[in-house]
Amino acid sequence: EPEVTQTPSHQVTQMGQEVILRCVPISNHLYFYWYRQILGQKVEFLVSFYNNEISEKSEIFDDQFSVERPDGSNFTLKIRSTKLEDSAMYFCATRQGLDNEQFFGPGTRLTVL
Amino acid sequence: SQQGEEDPQALSIQEGENATMNCSYKTSINNLQWYRQNSGRGLVHLILIRSNEREKHSGRLRVTLDTSKKSSSLLITASRAADTASYFCALNTDKLIFGTGTRLQVFP
Repeated sequence: EPEVTQTPSHQVTQMGQEVILRCVPISNHLYFYWYRQILGQKVEFLVSFYNNEISEKSEIFDDQFSVERPDGSNFTLKIRSTKLEDSAMYFCATRQGLDNEQFFGPGTRLTVL
Repeated sequence: SQQGEEDPQALSIQEGENATMNCSYKTSINNLQWYRQNSGRGLVHLILIRSNEREKHSGRLRVTLDTSKKSSSLLITASRAADTASYFCALNTDKLIFGTGTRLQVFP
C-alpha cells in the first residue's frame, strides 16, 4: 500500500541553524500539508500546498518557514533560523482530493539545542 | 470553530470490552474523519464518514454520524491492548483541525 515517507526521522540542530525536512507524497496525491506537534500538545496545522503554491497557512507559519516542491516529487519544509520552540514532531500529510482523507507520514522529530 | 471536540478525554478498559468515543462539532461538514495516534508516532487514518452517511464499519470499528446533533461516535469492539492510543476526530475542511483527542488505555 502506498504511503507518505519523511526524512530524516530525527534531526538535531543548533539554534539559529537552517533545517530542511523532506516528504515524499503518495504519487497521485495533489494536496500537501505540514503539521507539527509539540511534545504533549495537540497536532497543529502549519501550511497547505496545492498546484505549486500555498493555499493556507497558520499563524505559526511565519517568515522563518517556507515550503516548496522542488522536483515534482519531494515536498519540503524549511526553517531558516531555528528557535528552541521549534522543537517538535513535524508531520507531512497528503491527499488525493479535498473530499478524501489525508494520509500522514511517520514524522520528523526536530530537536533544537 | 472547525474543531471537533472528543470525549471522554481518557478511557481505560479491559481487553475484550468495547470502547466508545464521541466527537462534537459546530459547523456544517462534508465529511468527518477519525484518526489514531500511538504515543510519539504518526497519525493513522481510520475511517472517513460522509455527511449523507449515518453509519460506517471497518473491521472492529464502527462510526456513526448524526448531522442534526453535530456529533459522531467511534466504537471499537472487542478491544485489544494494541488499541491503546489517542483517537481524534477531524472535520473535513482543507486543513485538519485536531482536538485533544481521547486517550484510550486497554489493559490486558
